[in-house]
Amino acid sequence: DQQVKQNSPSLSVQEGRISILNCDYTNSMFDYFLWYKKYPAEGPTFLISISSIKDKNEDGRFTVFLNKSAKHLSLHIVPSQPGDSAVYFCAASGGTSYGKLTFGQGTILTVHP
Amino acid sequence: NAGVTQTPKFRILKIGQSMTLQCTQDMNHNYMYWYRQDPGMGLKLIYYSVGAGITDKGEVPNGYNVSRSTTEDFPLRLELAAPSQTSVYFCASSYPHLGTGEQYFGPGTRLTVT
Repeated sequence: DQQVKQNSPSLSVQEGRISILNCDYTNSMFDYFLWYKKYPAEGPTFLISISSIKDKNEDGRFTVFLNKSAKHLSLHIVPSQPGDSAVYFCAASGGTSYGKLTFGQGTILTVHP
Repeated sequence: NAGVTQTPKFRILKIGQSMTLQCTQDMNHNYMYWYRQDPGMGLKLIYYSVGAGITDKGEVPNGYNVSRSTTEDFPLRLELAAPSQTSVYFCASSYPHLGTGEQYFGPGTRLTVT
């Protein structure tokens, strides 16, 4: 039972354009959502998060949007840069899983110069 | 701060062998975690610990054991290695009571069982 899903295994965008990565969840008890970025041969690194009491959180080029009624969140990267090429994981926590994260499968983002 | 460190970086095991993956963090985090990542998949939680002396199973604990005798260290033990345990293993730590509670990850251990 996949509680957090990233349905797009990969995404390819041109440098300077917007990248939109999507994530859906099924557990209505989740109240905190995070995005992680992972380069090859490295561990995931935290990128940005959002609490369920908000619908948007912005940090520089990165913005996360949360639609609780649709149980959907998205990460927008504007403008995209070649250095953003990585695997992006969304993760969720809350309810009985305090302190634990449930991860999606990841989306490989490739930004072409 | 070194953050979360893991050793070894790579290891090849024969079926039936055992080994311990080491994990240490220097951020004084009370929570620690072990994940595995298989190709094309997300991270699956193997075991976690909320403090020294306290451990609990995650989503995929079979074939693994853990201990937490200190705040800093959280080793993962594989007994009787099987090909299904070929994966990349990540250790992480967090202090979920503060801020966003994000987890900090080590660089990973790539394990092959043949």
